[in-house]
Amino acid sequence: GAGVSQSPRYKVAKRGQDVALRCDPISGHVSLFWYQQALGQGPEFLTYFQNEAQLDKSGLPSDRFFAERPEGSVSTLKIQRTQQEDSAVYLCASSFSVGVKDEQFFGPGTRLTVL
Amino acid sequence: RKEVEQDPGPFNVPEGATVAFNCTYSNSASQSFFWYRQDCRKEPKLLMSVYSSGNEDGRFTAQLNRASQYISLLIRDSKLSDSATYLCVVMPKTGTASKLTFGTGTRLQVTL
Repeated sequence: GAGVSQSPRYKVAKRGQDVALRCDPISGHVSLFWYQQALGQGPEFLTYFQNEAQLDKSGLPSDRFFAERPEGSVSTLKIQRTQQEDSAVYLCASSFSVGVKDEQFFGPGTRLTVL
Repeated sequence: RKEVEQDPGPFNVPEGATVAFNCTYSNSASQSFFWYRQDCRKEPKLLMSVYSSGNEDGRFTAQLNRASQYISLLIRDSKLSDSATYLCVVMPKTGTASKLTFGTGTRLQVTL
């Protein structure tokens, strides 16, 4: 498909486990964003990549959260020692370039439940 | 105080009605403004950008008031398929891609 894809779509983790969430952006898109959406809330920014460079990680809630995009395409969001408050939908978005007019296209999200 | 504030609703309206949503934003440096639509358990999708001059797309009209830091969305002749959550979104920076700041969303339910 031509859209942003994410895997897994659903993830259940026991508290304390590490998880890795994958995002495949639209081919050729330079910009990649991660957002966290808690139940009943709007998405909240986590981090931003321009190609392989992580230019903004101001939204990462703690040092347990780590994101990478080593080849400027696929990105992985890793959460170490998961806590119950990490339960949320994690959305990835990509845009063609770096302009503010460029639409961000969202993937379907990964729904993480921490027990 | 949240950066973007919206009435969460729900707004329950009959088919054919006109409904208006408002939101306010706190960062006066915000430069770009949008309305996104999010269906239940789906990803957000861009509905329309918002300009100071106001813009219209079919039954949808968006308006920005920079002085009051206020954004509105008007939906005319509501359809059942308009039922969704409408997210007010601002982007603070210009020049380079930047994070989107979302409101909590306003839920709309259109009924027969």
